[in-house]
Amino acid sequence: GAVVSQHPSRVICKSGTSVKIECRSLDFQATTMFWYRQFPKQSLMLMATSNEGSKATYEQGVEKDKFLINHASLTLSTLTVTSAHPEDSSFYICSGLRGFSEAFFGQGTRLTVV
Amino acid sequence: GIQVEQSPPDLILQEGANSTLRCNFSDSVNNLQWFHQNPWGQLINLFYIPSGTKQNGRLSATTVATERYSLLYISSSQTTDSGVYFCAVESGANSKLTFGKGITLSVRP
Repeated sequence: GAVVSQHPSRVICKSGTSVKIECRSLDFQATTMFWYRQFPKQSLMLMATSNEGSKATYEQGVEKDKFLINHASLTLSTLTVTSAHPEDSSFYICSGLRGFSEAFFGQGTRLTVV
Repeated sequence: GIQVEQSPPDLILQEGANSTLRCNFSDSVNNLQWFHQNPWGQLINLFYIPSGTKQNGRLSATTVATERYSLLYISSSQTTDSGVYFCAVESGANSKLTFGKGITLSVRP
């Protein structure tokens, strides 16, 4: 299968600071990447769709100014949580789309805002 | 939007037992994938199976697209099979996956 690498795997930050999470497709080019959020014992909730070279498309209810997404190349998308607050603490997961069909996921990032 | 229902929500097995996990969806799909989320949160691709049957070792999956369901079979379960199993489908032109709520499997030694 294809490999998607996500970093960091864990991060603790102070309230009010910003955190950047990287998502890289290592052995395929991902024109489209997705960012998800997962709360404990719940399913994955899609936050936004990221297309290389264009602005991200955010799902309803997701603040685009708080969750900045950049997809600068066919192998890298970044999610920046700006001015993080404790309620932003969560597990964030990215996925890259191989071809136009099969999705492969990164390892996830556990964000804790204190 | 499309609805995805997985059953049962929880499953406890003795090591060596077989099990069947079900995924129902409310509309026709272009893509269906099964994932295993391990205790560390990593989603492992199990099958890309919009239709038909596939097998990979002790796991196999069948999707009957016309009847809008998919089944994941686990045979001779092992403790390492424990975790959450997600079914996800894509039905539009935007490649977005809609996830079910997952099935939590616990395999006891």
